[in-house]
Amino acid sequence: GQQVMQIPQYQHVQEGEDFTTYCNSSTTLSNIQWYKQRPGGHPVFLIQLVKSGEVKKQKRLTFQFGEAKKNSSLHITATQTTDVGTYFCADTGGFKTIFGAGTRLFVKA
Amino acid sequence: DTGVSQDPRHKITKRGQNVTFRCDPISEHNRLYWYRQTLGQGPEFLTYFQNEAQLEKSRLLSDRFSAERPKGSFSTLEIQRTEQGDSAMYLCASSSSTDTQYFGPGTRLTVL
Repeated sequence: GQQVMQIPQYQHVQEGEDFTTYCNSSTTLSNIQWYKQRPGGHPVFLIQLVKSGEVKKQKRLTFQFGEAKKNSSLHITATQTTDVGTYFCADTGGFKTIFGAGTRLFVKA
Repeated sequence: DTGVSQDPRHKITKRGQNVTFRCDPISEHNRLYWYRQTLGQGPEFLTYFQNEAQLEKSRLLSDRFSAERPKGSFSTLEIQRTEQGDSAMYLCASSSSTDTQYFGPGTRLTVL
């Protein structure tokens, strides 16, 4: 079945450093959504990308959708301790939503 | 609070018992999803409702799992004859036509 893979699994950064997580699929993604889950919390929607090559920004967060719609990335500039959590991508085509395993971000002050 | 609510928040049960969880979506959201999440993994899709119709169900779901949304509002997820492998966080999410899914706080199930 369809799988959405995320790398890296974990990332430790010093506060102020940049962070990037990558989302890949062997099949064409319909739409890609990104969620953030704080430790002990539930996933919270960040953004949806629909178009090939789309780039969206939210303050220090930059989201990209690959030209072939088989990959996506989330880049955080100058991380802060509030960025701690797990970032998930999800393919939301059709009725079924397929989540990646997530990238857990640790930020050291 | 107008967010997605789930009840109970925690459930401890013995192997072989049946359990039922409830999800109340955001008012007027016609789409409702159930997921299962284990430690270190992303939410795993279980089933999807549009209004009262169950339109998608994961093939990974055994016959012990059943979900309903009788009036197109709240939903229930029942697990029969629970097994230790069923221990997980069960998440519910709802959305409208914008596709943004709003998750509830989850029900943590522990099967002893």
